[in-house]
Amino acid sequence: KAGVTQTPRYLIKTRGQQVTLSCSPISGHRSVSWYQQTPGQGLQFLFEYFSETQRNKGNFPGRFSGRQFSNSRSEMNVSTLELGDSALYLCASSLVGGQGGSTNEKLFFGSGTQLSVL
Amino acid sequence: GDSVTQMEGPVTLSEEAFLTINCTYTATGYPSLFWYVQYPGEGLQLLLKATKADDKGSNKGFEATYRKETTSFHLEKGSVQVSDSAVYFCALSVRGAQKLVFGQGTRLTINP
Repeated sequence: KAGVTQTPRYLIKTRGQQVTLSCSPISGHRSVSWYQQTPGQGLQFLFEYFSETQRNKGNFPGRFSGRQFSNSRSEMNVSTLELGDSALYLCASSLVGGQGGSTNEKLFFGSGTQLSVL
Repeated sequence: GDSVTQMEGPVTLSEEAFLTINCTYTATGYPSLFWYVQYPGEGLQLLLKATKADDKGSNKGFEATYRKETTSFHLEKGSVQVSDSAVYFCALSVRGAQKLVFGQGTRLTINP
């Protein structure tokens, strides 16, 4: 069974540009979450989608957006990039989401997309 | 708000040493608690979890006990190996919140 796939693996952009990151969840998983990882702020929750609907959103500006398609694949978009957006962006999938203790809520993470903003 | 505090790293130990990584939490509700591990160049993997007070999560020789009275979930291993070198994250989730709240992470290096 294939794991969570994130593309591209590395991205270099300049300030002011926009970027789209892609995440393909494990087959059968309907929940996709996104996290930003930086040395200063650590891991922070961006948003979570289930059946094409955003169920929860973290404290990020409106420049950060996402969506989920009918096949559960998800994309996140960052517009008007800033230097501080440089980070590892991690996608995680689960059967039903919730991130509680049940087996159906277990998160599986991708290897991430490393975004560098110059 | 919900938060997790981990002991700061980096932590460097010799092989076969005893490991403790401290983790305390603050949560509005009754959280589930997790330890995740991140190896170089990879995403996070769930190491162990506990969903209620006094539960002990264990995996690959690692253990952590959910202590509600001290709001703690310390990670321990009796004898570490070089292959345990990684970054360890403590995290919590309040049921229904659809998100994890992570600690800052602790980088562990094991020397042979």
